[in-house]
Amino acid sequence: DAKTTQPNSMESNEEEPVHLPCNHSTISGTDYIHWYRQLPSQGPEYVIHGLTSNVNNRMASLAIAEDRKSSTLILHRATLRDAAVYYCIDTGTASKLTFGTGTRLQVTL
Amino acid sequence: NAGVTQTPKFRVLKTGQSMTLLCAQDMNHEYMYWYRQDPGMGLRLIHYSVGEGTTAKGEVPDGYNVSRLKKQNFLLGLESAAPSQTSVYFCASSYSNGAAGDEQYFGPGTRLTVT
Repeated sequence: DAKTTQPNSMESNEEEPVHLPCNHSTISGTDYIHWYRQLPSQGPEYVIHGLTSNVNNRMASLAIAEDRKSSTLILHRATLRDAAVYYCIDTGTASKLTFGTGTRLQVTL
Repeated sequence: NAGVTQTPKFRVLKTGQSMTLLCAQDMNHEYMYWYRQDPGMGLRLIHYSVGEGTTAKGEVPDGYNVSRLKKQNFLLGLESAAPSQTSVYFCASSYSNGAAGDEQYFGPGTRLTVT
């Protein structure tokens, strides 16, 4: 199964940018990188995904390394509402998202 | 547009009892999934479906059965509940599979306690 490695936790001050790293050294050429986040007591929600080139949307940016073995989710200005567990997922086999334990992001004033 | 809904939100069962969790989506998605999440853990895939009338096993299928008789509904059944099945259950749906880049939409979850 495709696996990713993320730090267990990170902290950020409000209004500052946050860079959440992810290693996916076993990724194959056709696997997408997806990021989801889970706010307390809620189901996961999609954040962003990409294949090779960097991606931007209204929530975040995704920077993918040239060799595709790592990526970074960038929250440009963290707010208290961004406090959540962030999951980086190498889609691997079709239809199966494998969630690890993610990175717990704490945002402080 | 309700998205993905789950029924019930909470349930307490005694060991050996049975129950069915209902997931419904109104986005005309082909793919539907059932996950469980234990405290402090990530989600694990139980079963999934790639279309009406189809089901397939995920990572942790033992003790569960599923049915997809209608495209919009995906049912998860526990025939004989065990304390090890105490968990939060999430349903999700997607237009196609994640490998094609499509996102999954998740429901709010069902918190199940088996005593």
